[in-house]
Amino acid sequence: DAGVIQSPRHEVTEMGQEVTLRCKPISGHNSLFWYRQTMMRGLELLIYFNNNVPIDDSGMPEDRFSAKMPNASFSTLKIQPSEPRDSAVYFCASSSLGDTEAFFGQGTRLTVV
Amino acid sequence: GQQVMQIPQYQHVQEGEDFTTYCNSSTTLSNIQWYKQRPGGHPVFLIQLVKSGEVKKQKRLTFQFGEAKKNSSLHITATQTTDVGTYFCAGGYGGATNKLIFGTGTLLAVQP
Repeated sequence: DAGVIQSPRHEVTEMGQEVTLRCKPISGHNSLFWYRQTMMRGLELLIYFNNNVPIDDSGMPEDRFSAKMPNASFSTLKIQPSEPRDSAVYFCASSSLGDTEAFFGQGTRLTVV
Repeated sequence: GQQVMQIPQYQHVQEGEDFTTYCNSSTTLSNIQWYKQRPGGHPVFLIQLVKSGEVKKQKRLTFQFGEAKKNSSLHITATQTTDVGTYFCAGGYGGATNKLIFGTGTLLAVQP
């Protein structure tokens, strides 16, 4: 397995534009997590899914953020409209149900100018 | 809500010195996991502790889980330059929820 795959690796966009981040979890994993990492706030859990169903989205900063998981092999995190304060590294991770280790993707470095 | 704090935020040591980072959760955990993130990289799983009072070792690394399952520590003996990175604990909140909250992390710098 190639591991968790995220795209794009880098994204530079202008304020107000829509941004879509993509994630392909490891095949067979039931849980998918979206994290945001900044110097100031560390690794924040934004949302996670179990069996494609969103379980907890309390970490999603505001309505500009949305996440979907239409099937077991794909998830998106969308920001519309984007703002400079959204600049961060966004990680997707997947794991099996039952408190097992999380495998992280390489991350998407987002810069909003 | 659940919060996981780590201290110190940053530690600078001479190669060969020991290093310890401490992790505290605001609520009881189902398990504690530890991850290492190299500069520019992504978090990589090191170990998971599940039982109250559990101690596990990986070569020069020793991991402990507190009796109350609310705190944990990672101790590195005789640090090496390859130990450089940020060490995160991550609190697992159990069972069917599978929720994983990361601590604030400790950045370790090792001077040769």
